[in-house]
Amino acid sequence: AQKITQTQPGMFVQEKEAVTLDCTYDTSDQSYGLFWYKQPSSGEMIFLIYQGSYDEQNATEGRYSLNFQKARKSANLVISASQLGDSAMYFCAMRERSGGYNKLIFGAGTRLAVHP
Amino acid sequence: DAGVIQSPRHEVTEMGQEVTLRCKPISGHNSLFWYRQTMMRGLELLIYFNNNVPIDDSGMPEDRFSAKMPNASFSTLKIQPSEPRDSAVYFCATEGPDREGSRNTIYFGEGSWLTVV
Repeated sequence: AQKITQTQPGMFVQEKEAVTLDCTYDTSDQSYGLFWYKQPSSGEMIFLIYQGSYDEQNATEGRYSLNFQKARKSANLVISASQLGDSAMYFCAMRERSGGYNKLIFGAGTRLAVHP
Repeated sequence: DAGVIQSPRHEVTEMGQEVTLRCKPISGHNSLFWYRQTMMRGLELLIYFNNNVPIDDSGMPEDRFSAKMPNASFSTLKIQPSEPRDSAVYFCATEGPDREGSRNTIYFGEGSWLTVV
């Protein structure tokens, strides 16, 4: 069973507009963490934002915010005021415990294109 | 501050040759992960270490793959012999306190782009 689902293979957004990238997850753990990473065309994986399952407030990091809906098991990334440099692949990931240690499992990714 | 450092960044090798990829984790990070990324399979976890001890290597595809972490500041992923289907980007990632020191997070190196011809 897929643990992390990103249903949008590709998204387009106009520069300066906001965009939401969807992520749903599946876990029976009570304690887990959700991450978003950005992978530009140069290939590196850049950590953007983290939400813990017990965090009561939605995480925010500059123009990035995470819309965490625990009951729905969704952790959507919101990018406000999109910039051309935001064009990249975006991966949602979940950290879960396995064998007493943490593992990070990734979704398939969403490719975001920001148009001028 | 230095992030996760991987080498080489790019490698092209002939089928049958041995390939060694290297990783230097962020100081103070106790967990280290090796991932492989391909177009077909996305990001796959190959192996992870905690305090230099291999915890789960169930993602290692074949006996041709091996990984070591002889100390807290160095890990290797070796492929011997290499095959064209091993062509991928190999990422090393480490887990530890974030830059504010408030919580654990996972940081990636820039990846090693391997092409086996």
